[in-house]
Amino acid sequence: DGGITQSPKYLFRKEGQNVTLSCEQNLNHDAMYWYRQDPGQGLRLIYYSQIVNDFQKGDIAEGYSVSREKKESFPLTVTSAQKNPTALYLCASRSRGGANTDTQYFGPGTRLTVL
Amino acid sequence: DQQVKQNSPSLSVQEGRISILNCDYTNSMFDYFLWYKKYPAEGPTFLISISSIKDKNEDGRFTVFLNKSAKHLSLHIVPSQPGDSAVYFCAASDNGSGNTGKLIFGQGTTLQVKP
Repeated sequence: DGGITQSPKYLFRKEGQNVTLSCEQNLNHDAMYWYRQDPGQGLRLIYYSQIVNDFQKGDIAEGYSVSREKKESFPLTVTSAQKNPTALYLCASRSRGGANTDTQYFGPGTRLTVL
Repeated sequence: DQQVKQNSPSLSVQEGRISILNCDYTNSMFDYFLWYKKYPAEGPTFLISISSIKDKNEDGRFTVFLNKSAKHLSLHIVPSQPGDSAVYFCAASDNGSGNTGKLIFGQGTTLQVKP
């Protein structure tokens, strides 16, 4: 089955620790994205990557880091510098069809809780 | 500055009737719009999209209408079913800006379809 997998589904972190969230896709998509969702809010873009070995900051990149060494993988590290990391983290990838036909597909999410 | 707004946090509809979810945007450069459905503890699922060159797109029970002059789009679900109960997110992108695929999301509307 083609799709996007995220692991773990639930993650607990102590204050001051860095944690890395996994995102893997076998859809052969070039572009990948990380979003954060807080209760009662929409999704906000953290980082995105349009091609291997390249990535750009989104709207709320502070306290996060990413890498894109392989097309299939786009891990997100939540560092201790992120002051309010408790949230649902969603990874997405994008097919690149013709103009105005691009659609992002999402993984199931990782819920991170800081203890 | 909220560029995409869903002003109704919740909507309750009787099974078999029409559900109408609304979304407003402020950025006239947006040229591609999407609707996602999200169940608790799952990632968003793509429902339907529309390009700014169209004013209507239909897929089964789901129809999206775009009014560019009013910067408004709506999702119609007919007939509504209890399984449609979920949070619905409107999203928009500006494909002209380097085709990054960056999506701006609304806050979401929780739809409850009562049997």
